[in-house]
Amino acid sequence: EAQVTQNPRYLITVTGKKLTVTCSQNMNHEYMSWYRQDPGLGLRQIYYSMNVEVTDKGDVPEGYKVSRKEKRNFPLILESPSPNQTSLYFCASSLSLGPGNTIYFGEGSWLTVV
Amino acid sequence: AQSVAQPEDQVNVAEGNPLTVKCTYSVSGNPYLFWYVQYPNRGLQFLLKYITGDNLVKGSYGFEAEFNKSQTSFHLKKPSALVSDSALYFCAVRDTDNYGQNFVFGPGTRLSVLP
Repeated sequence: EAQVTQNPRYLITVTGKKLTVTCSQNMNHEYMSWYRQDPGLGLRQIYYSMNVEVTDKGDVPEGYKVSRKEKRNFPLILESPSPNQTSLYFCASSLSLGPGNTIYFGEGSWLTVV
Repeated sequence: AQSVAQPEDQVNVAEGNPLTVKCTYSVSGNPYLFWYVQYPNRGLQFLLKYITGDNLVKGSYGFEAEFNKSQTSFHLKKPSALVSDSALYFCAVRDTDNYGQNFVFGPGTRLSVLP
């Protein structure tokens, strides 16, 4: 089954404790991206990757890091999480950067930073 | 820069009645427009998209959307609402001039279908 898989789905952590949210897709997609969803703000892009070893900042990259060492994986790293990073995070992928390509989302990761 | 507006935070409709969820956009090039639905505790699911061609686009679960270039709108519609359609709906745009920025999403509209 074609899918985007994120882990963990739910996480409560403390301020400053490094964490990684993994993302994997099995569709051989070139393009992957991370979003955060906050009430009233919709989805905002954090980082995106056009292919292996190619990443770029989205609209809200501060406090986050990403890497793309393999085509299928695109982990999101919070080096020193803060409470304002409490949010619902989505990983997404699409075949390529072509504008007509549909983007597919993972199920989301609920992160709470206390 | 591209942007998307969904002017209604909440739409309430009775089951069996037609529904409309509104979306307007702003792009510098040609728009590629998408609708996604999010059910509670789930990720976003693709409903339909407009790339080119017929202004009326049909998608999943009986939904359709009408592209109106002069009004820069892409409203989502369904002739007869179901209680199971209750969810959060997002409109998104990709700009052919700036597709490196990927999708820009609207803030979402919560649809409640009342039995």
